[in-house]
Amino acid sequence: ETGVTQSPTHLIKTRGQQVTLRCSSQSGHNTVSWYQQALGQGPQFIFQYYREEENGRGNFPPRFSGLQFPNYSSELNVNALELDDSALYLCASSLSVAEETQYFGPGTRLLVL
Amino acid sequence: QQQVKQSPQSLIVQKGGIPIINCAYENTAFDYFPWYQQFPGKGPALLIAIRPDVSEKKEGRFTISFNKSAKQFSLHIMDSQPGDSATYFCAATDSSNTGKLIFGQGTTLQVKP
Repeated sequence: ETGVTQSPTHLIKTRGQQVTLRCSSQSGHNTVSWYQQALGQGPQFIFQYYREEENGRGNFPPRFSGLQFPNYSSELNVNALELDDSALYLCASSLSVAEETQYFGPGTRLLVL
Repeated sequence: QQQVKQSPQSLIVQKGGIPIINCAYENTAFDYFPWYQQFPGKGPALLIAIRPDVSEKKEGRFTISFNKSAKQFSLHIMDSQPGDSATYFCAATDSSNTGKLIFGQGTTLQVKP
């Protein structure tokens, strides 16, 4: 059984650019959530995807968007990058939308210059 | 009301000691409380979780104590080891199926040999 994987591990972008981060959920898991973790802070919920649709969203602007594919993998897209978007982006998968237990991937470290 | 407050911010104990990390919440709809361990450069790893219908749960050297009336819960690490040195996060969520874990600010634990 493979765990949650994310790519790339690190990324450097400049302000105003767009970025796409990818996540493969744990085997058998159909629900994916994305979190942003600023340095020294706890993760902040961005949104959750279930059956290829957004199932819940935190306090993030529309320039943060996502996709989920039929194989349950997911993408996080961020447009018009700002310096404050620099953070560790974490993907977490769960067995189903009714299952609260979430298993996190290693994250993608994004630096916006 | 959506916050989870965690203390202390940092903690230093000797090997074999019992560090205790505390969390408090306001939202009485929360019904699932996990603890995560995070090492530098890694994603959070689920340690142990509890629901409000029990007052204590043990898994190996990790114990959660839960006080529903006070809306507080804590993590105890028995016989702590230098390998336990990490950042610990408490979290909470409700059964609304939006997948939103609310995290505390984290506690950095150092276990000295």
